[in-house]
Amino acid sequence: QVQLQESGPRLVRPSETLSLTCTVSDDSISSEYWSWIRSSPGKGLEWIGYIFHSGITKYNPSLKSRVTISVDTSNNQVSLNLFSVTAADTAVYYCARKLPGMSDAFDLWGQGAMVTVSS
Amino acid sequence: EIVMTQSPATLSVSPGERVTLSCRASQSINFNLAWYQHKPGQAPRLLIYGASVRAPGIPARFSGSGSGTDFTLTISSLQSEDLALYYCQQYTVRSHLTFGGGSKVEIK
Repeated sequence: QVQLQESGPRLVRPSETLSLTCTVSDDSISSEYWSWIRSSPGKGLEWIGYIFHSGITKYNPSLKSRVTISVDTSNNQVSLNLFSVTAADTAVYYCARKLPGMSDAFDLWGQGAMVTVSS
Repeated sequence: EIVMTQSPATLSVSPGERVTLSCRASQSINFNLAWYQHKPGQAPRLLIYGASVRAPGIPARFSGSGSGTDFTLTISSLQSEDLALYYCQQYTVRSHLTFGGGSKVEIK
């Protein structure tokens, strides 16, 4: 069973950059789409964006100006950078795998990383 | 942006009862809808995709229906372990995936 694990700083200061890495337990990173999704009490689940192993990306228009997602197939990792963060970016951040096939649902998720934006 | 609206926000149900959760899209999304179960401290779990296709390993008491703008998730006989938040998600607009606000199922 493929596993996903998020890692990175859990406390980020306002105006700085939130950086997280998702490590995939096998080399399926080279054949699927991978997304970042966040969850907060006030906003529920919010899709941040996705990347294909080729580097093709799509971002949520509301975050597009502040986010980049990248992939490192040699290390089976997907990374998220969210710039100029504010308290509103405090959330649990999940990496997730798109269901293989035509449906853009997410069938595999990491356990999540709780990130707090605070000075 | 396609807005997904879920109702009710909270539902209190006794074990064994039938649960019906609704999800409405602001425009037609055909069958491009998924349902997730989200328990505190855990990752969300895919229940249904394609509006009515159960994901592997999901118990038969979970079923999905609907098309276009109106969708339903039904739990035929609520179990105590079904206490959770339930979200719908549309994927018709692949460049802007959106989730509903969630429905919380409480055990009465």
